[in-house]
Amino acid sequence: GAGVSQSPSNKVTEKGKDVELRCDPISGHTALYWYRQSLGQGLEFLIYFQGNSAPDKSGLPSDRFSAERTGGSVSTLTIQRTQQEDSAVYLCASSLEKQKNIQYFGAGTRLSVL
Amino acid sequence: DQQVKQNSPSLSVQEGRISILNCDYTNSMFDYFLWYKKYPAEGPTFLISISSIKDKNEDGRFTVFLNKSAKHLSLHIVPSQPGDSAVYFCAARDSGNTPLVFGKGTRLSVIA
Repeated sequence: GAGVSQSPSNKVTEKGKDVELRCDPISGHTALYWYRQSLGQGLEFLIYFQGNSAPDKSGLPSDRFSAERTGGSVSTLTIQRTQQEDSAVYLCASSLEKQKNIQYFGAGTRLSVL
Repeated sequence: DQQVKQNSPSLSVQEGRISILNCDYTNSMFDYFLWYKKYPAEGPTFLISISSIKDKNEDGRFTVFLNKSAKHLSLHIVPSQPGDSAVYFCAARDSGNTPLVFGKGTRLSVIA
C-alpha cells in the first residue's frame, strides 16, 4: 500500500528483553516521527528524523530507547531491557518536508511487556 | 506540564446534531493547530487545521474555531453522523522546527 507501514502490529515480550519496532514511511516523505500512546494518554513525541539532519531525540524517555533511520527511509525503534511501563502503542508518522504539519500515521505497534 | 489540554475525555451526541470538541493550550508560541481523528486499531488521520492568522476554517461538515486571546480552539461537526464516532486529538506547534504537541483526545460517540 501507499501508506505508512509498521511491523509487527502486536508484540508481547518479557520484562528485560529487547524489542525492535519497524516503520516504513510513505515514499518520498523526508520527515519521520515516532510517538507512543500509553493507556488513557495522548500521543507522546519520542523522536523525529528530517532528511540527513541529526534527529531530534528530545522525547526519548530514557537511554533504553533508541532509533535509527537507514538510507533516509525505513526506521527502527529499539527498546532495550523492556519494562512494564513501556507497554503502549508505538506510532510512526511521516510527512513531506514542506508539509510537516500534516503527518500520516501508521496503525501502530501494540507492545505488551509482561 | 500539559501544553495542549482536552478536558473532556468523552462526548455523546445524537445523530444529526452538532458535536463540539474543545481544546485549550498554554503555549503562546503555538501558531498552527490541527485536529486528527482516530478509529480503533488505526493510526490518527489528519482532519482539519488552522493557522493563528485566522479564527475560522471550514471544510464541509467540519469547522475549527480559534480564539487566540483565550488560547482555545474548538472543532464543530454538523450534522454529526455515526461514522464520526472516533477519538479526536487536538495538536499544536510553533513556527520553529518542533514536533506537534498532542492532547489526550476526546472520544466522540454519535448515537443513531
